[in-house]
Amino acid sequence: GDKVKQSPSALSLQEGTNSALRCNFSIAATTVQWFLQNPRGSLMNLFYLVPGTKENGRLKSAFDSKESYSTLHIRDAQLEDSGTYFCAAATSSGQKLVFGQGTILKVYL
Amino acid sequence: GGIITQTPKFLIGQEGQKLTLKCQQNFNHDTMYWYRQDSGKGLRLIYYSITENDLQKGDLSEGYDASREKKSSFSLTVTSAQKNEMAVFLCASSRQGAASDYTFGSGTRLLVI
Repeated sequence: GDKVKQSPSALSLQEGTNSALRCNFSIAATTVQWFLQNPRGSLMNLFYLVPGTKENGRLKSAFDSKESYSTLHIRDAQLEDSGTYFCAAATSSGQKLVFGQGTILKVYL
Repeated sequence: GGIITQTPKFLIGQEGQKLTLKCQQNFNHDTMYWYRQDSGKGLRLIYYSITENDLQKGDLSEGYDASREKKSSFSLTVTSAQKNEMAVFLCASSRQGAASDYTFGSGTRLLVI
């Protein structure tokens, strides 16, 4: 099965509303990264997380290594938040990230 | 700030052709990666390199070669392009493997006719 499972697979949000994306891990994740791929295809790193939380503007992310999940909260969604969100996990022995399949987010007026 | 540059941005090849994609970074990062992304899908790791002259196979290495002759550059070769193949190839780098944050290039879009 998927080592990093993202949910939901797709999401539509009205501008100004809030939502949360989730990643569940079946590997012993030690760090997590969240990325946004914009409609042109460029991937931007949003967060690098050890267990705990981080906040950046309207985005807030949490990583619980004991319960093996991470969340990305989007507050006051804007049109420019549209794109595909990927989470990825690293293990203590790994040199490489394991990526989820992505959540496609569309924000509409 | 640094930058990671992929060339070319677009590549049109013919069936059976050997095609080379290049990636350069000026972050002085140790680790570099090549991923393939098919339309609407996630990222699949082709090759990665933890330091100059090192090569490690990913999940999708068959049909590809890679070369890390300098710390700052990592090239990927499609050994024999498949007809109607269409994908985006993404290069990334990190200071120290998966223990530090990844930075991605803007991608090379490949079309094989």
